[in-house]
Amino acid sequence: DSGVTQTPKHLITATGQRVTLRCSPRSGDLSVYWYQQSLDQGLQFLIQYYNGEERAKGNILERFSAQQFPDLHSELNLSSLELGDSALYFCASSLTLTPGELFFGEGSRLTVL
Amino acid sequence: AQSVTQLDSQVPVFEEAPVELRCNYSSSVSVYLFWYVQYPNQGLQLLLKYLSGSTLVKGINGFEAEFNKSQTSFHLRKPSVHISDTAEYFCAVSDSRNYGQNFVFGPGTRLSVLP
Repeated sequence: DSGVTQTPKHLITATGQRVTLRCSPRSGDLSVYWYQQSLDQGLQFLIQYYNGEERAKGNILERFSAQQFPDLHSELNLSSLELGDSALYFCASSLTLTPGELFFGEGSRLTVL
Repeated sequence: AQSVTQLDSQVPVFEEAPVELRCNYSSSVSVYLFWYVQYPNQGLQLLLKYLSGSTLVKGINGFEAEFNKSQTSFHLRKPSVHISDTAEYFCAVSDSRNYGQNFVFGPGTRLSVLP
């Protein structure tokens, strides 16, 4: 158990809809990262937050947004969903900004029909 | 920007045989290197990491990796694999200045251990 909690574990929705994925980092970790894992793209970095502020942005679509709340949990919002958004979405956390280790949650599997 | 190559997408090996999973990276700055493992239906778990110091790094479950700066490689090895090692293995690199988008994963190598 990494200590990172993601909900929901599975989500099935239709094209055009909007979903919210939630992540609770390890106790004490200030940094949260979101990754998308798909068969054709592999693990793609989406966005990073540190202590409530956005710190780095990767290949995140404009239809996607995220935030980190004062209690350090984070939410990833996916809107106007397309079939290609079907993927496993991982949240990871770390204590600081500096490299060391990322602790991953078990992921949220999104299926868009 | 960094990039990571894992030349072998799939590696089948018999139980108790040795295995090497290859990882090469490219970067214009000094890097930190990681190997993560993903078991079926689970998140990624850190196997080992190289930040500095000895180029031979030992990790969990009997795995080790060697950082070779001249060959820009960080190959993962295990002298004797078990059925339970069947999983997807990801090599990752980050530069020493920042995390986030500079933390790049390779495409993964699926290790299948056969009885």
